[in-house]
Amino acid sequence: DVKVTQSSRYLVKRTGEKVFLECVQDMDHENMFWYRQDPGLGLRLIYFSYDVKMKEKGDIPEGYSVSREKKERFSLILESASTSQTSMYLCASRRQRSHEQYFGPGTRLTVT
Amino acid sequence: GDSVTQMEGPVTLSEEAFLTINCTYTATGYPSLFWYVQYPGEGLQLLLKATKADDKGSNKGFEATYRKETTSFHLEKGSVQVSDSAVYFCALTGSARQLTFGSGTQLTVLP
Repeated sequence: DVKVTQSSRYLVKRTGEKVFLECVQDMDHENMFWYRQDPGLGLRLIYFSYDVKMKEKGDIPEGYSVSREKKERFSLILESASTSQTSMYLCASRRQRSHEQYFGPGTRLTVT
Repeated sequence: GDSVTQMEGPVTLSEEAFLTINCTYTATGYPSLFWYVQYPGEGLQLLLKATKADDKGSNKGFEATYRKETTSFHLEKGSVQVSDSAVYFCALTGSARQLTFGSGTQLTVLP
């Protein structure tokens, strides 16, 4: 059974803190994605990675960075968290030639 | 660029009612179309997909037909259940193979 896991379901951080969100997939997928989900806006792509050590900006990369040192792990980093980054963050993975993405359960981040 | 427009919610239905959630899209080329579902407290799951014009995707009693002439991919189910209560997202992948999502439609089914 396919599995994408995220390190935390709920996270509360203070403004200015550095925040790490971790995502791990066990399907040997090449591609991985980070989205944020906000009411009325659907899902918006922050960053994606086609393979280890590779990364590409999505639609809303400002204020975020990513790291992909191993194929199974894709980390999202908020260098200095702001209240505008309070959101649900979803990770996904995909086999290279497939259209179907598999999603993790999400991390609900609150920045106070 | 690519975009997806889906009917705004929330939608509230009684059990066994007929469901339609409208979805239209704008894309260059020949996108693949998807419906994802998000149950409370969970991530998104692929519900059904269609990869070319006139294809019908179906799963768990839900259906959607890829209509290129009307650029639509409406989701339907003949008889909804309480367990269908969730948020439904229409999405497409264009030439870049990245998913573009609609804003989501919250469905609540009452017993």
